[in-house]
Amino acid sequence: DGGITQSPKYLFRKEGQNVTLSCEQNLNHDAMYWYRQDPGQGLRLIYYSQIVNDFQKGDIAEGYSVSREKKESFPLTVTSAQKNPTAFYLCASSPGLAAPRTDTQYFGPGTRLTVL
Amino acid sequence: AQTVTQSQPEMSVQEAETVTLSCTYDTSENNYYLFWYKQPPSRQMILVIRQEAYKQQNATENRFSVNFQKAAKSFSLKISDSQLGDTAMYFCAFMKHVRGGSNYKLTFGKGTLLTVNP
Repeated sequence: DGGITQSPKYLFRKEGQNVTLSCEQNLNHDAMYWYRQDPGQGLRLIYYSQIVNDFQKGDIAEGYSVSREKKESFPLTVTSAQKNPTAFYLCASSPGLAAPRTDTQYFGPGTRLTVL
Repeated sequence: AQTVTQSQPEMSVQEAETVTLSCTYDTSENNYYLFWYKQPPSRQMILVIRQEAYKQQNATENRFSVNFQKAAKSFSLKISDSQLGDTAMYFCAFMKHVRGGSNYKLTFGKGTLLTVNP
């Protein structure tokens, strides 16, 4: 089955703790993205990566960090510096540079992070 | 910067009827892409339909079609023969074409919650 997986589905964190959200894809996509969704809002871009070992900040990168050591994986760490981390986090991937004219983002099932 | 506006926070429709969701956007770009995504209660974001701005023909996918008016910067979604499974939040999204590079910037509207009633 080709697709994007995110784990865990639900995550609880105590204030002051860092936590890492997993995102894996087997679509052979070059580009991967992390979005945050808050109630009543559309999605906002946190970080994106167009190629392995490279990533760029999105609109709301403060308090987050990422790595892209493998094409298939793009984990997101929510650090204690993130002031309001409770949200729904969505990972996406797209063909990226491999197909710029038909580039379309496909999403994983999401992770709900709650800070206690 | 691009902005996407969905003016209908909530809509409802009877099963088997047709409904149209509105979306307008603001951009100075000439080459770009527009999307409709649906997010059912499971919260999985699912691509519904995609439109290239350089194509005059409106995109269609089975019961879903768009009315793309480039001059008016309008991109509405029509759902025909509505089904209970169409109940979801629908998001309109804009992506500009980056010449020679990957297109990365998806700008989303705030969504329209569609309820299909039996």
